[in-house]
Amino acid sequence: QKEVEQDPGPLSVPEGAIVSLNCTYSNSAFQYFMWYRQYSRKGPELLMYTYSSGNKEDGRFTAQVDKSSKYISLFIRDSQPSDSATYLCAMRVGRDDKIIFGKGTRLHILP
Amino acid sequence: NAGVTQTPKFRVLKTGQSMTLLCAQDMNHEYMYWYRQDPGMGLRLIHYSVGEGTTAKGEVPDGYNVSRLKKQNFLLGLESAAPSQTSVYFCASKVGRGNTEAFFGQGTRLTVV
Repeated sequence: QKEVEQDPGPLSVPEGAIVSLNCTYSNSAFQYFMWYRQYSRKGPELLMYTYSSGNKEDGRFTAQVDKSSKYISLFIRDSQPSDSATYLCAMRVGRDDKIIFGKGTRLHILP
Repeated sequence: NAGVTQTPKFRVLKTGQSMTLLCAQDMNHEYMYWYRQDPGMGLRLIHYSVGEGTTAKGEVPDGYNVSRLKKQNFLLGLESAAPSQTSVYFCASKVGRGNTEAFFGQGTRLTVV
């Protein structure tokens, strides 16, 4: 079993909808949880990160971590065509230096 | 403000040829990483470095070697390229331990025929 599982999609939703992206993981030692956004033919860029469990909000984006279920989510409100990209979850153990990524979910926001 | 720069951007190799991918960062970051990205596989860590002169293996290190002789550069070598190494390679760097954000280069598209 891969340490981080993420549905590759693609996921297509109409403009203005709420988008929910998710990852599950198997390593209970993960402490730092990140979401990266990657536009076509570009490198990933950090979108949000959270430490341990809880919620974090930044504008239209909300990151949620449930360590008891080993499940993390990214919610996008009022989705825009410019949100169309691949979203990768990533995780890191506190004492470790490796950042482990999920497969990424391709998201299409339809105008 | 260059950030992380990868050289070359594209390359086609024949099976058995060797090459070196160069990653350069101008942010004085301690940590540097090499990933490969394949369809349906996501980003997989090849090797990484936590400082000048140090390297460590990631998830998929076989067939690759790395060197970090200077803090700003991280080299990824393929000694004898195989078609299975056809991929998009990304370099990333971050400030150091405890810092979360990794900055990525624009990628190198490598095709091995």
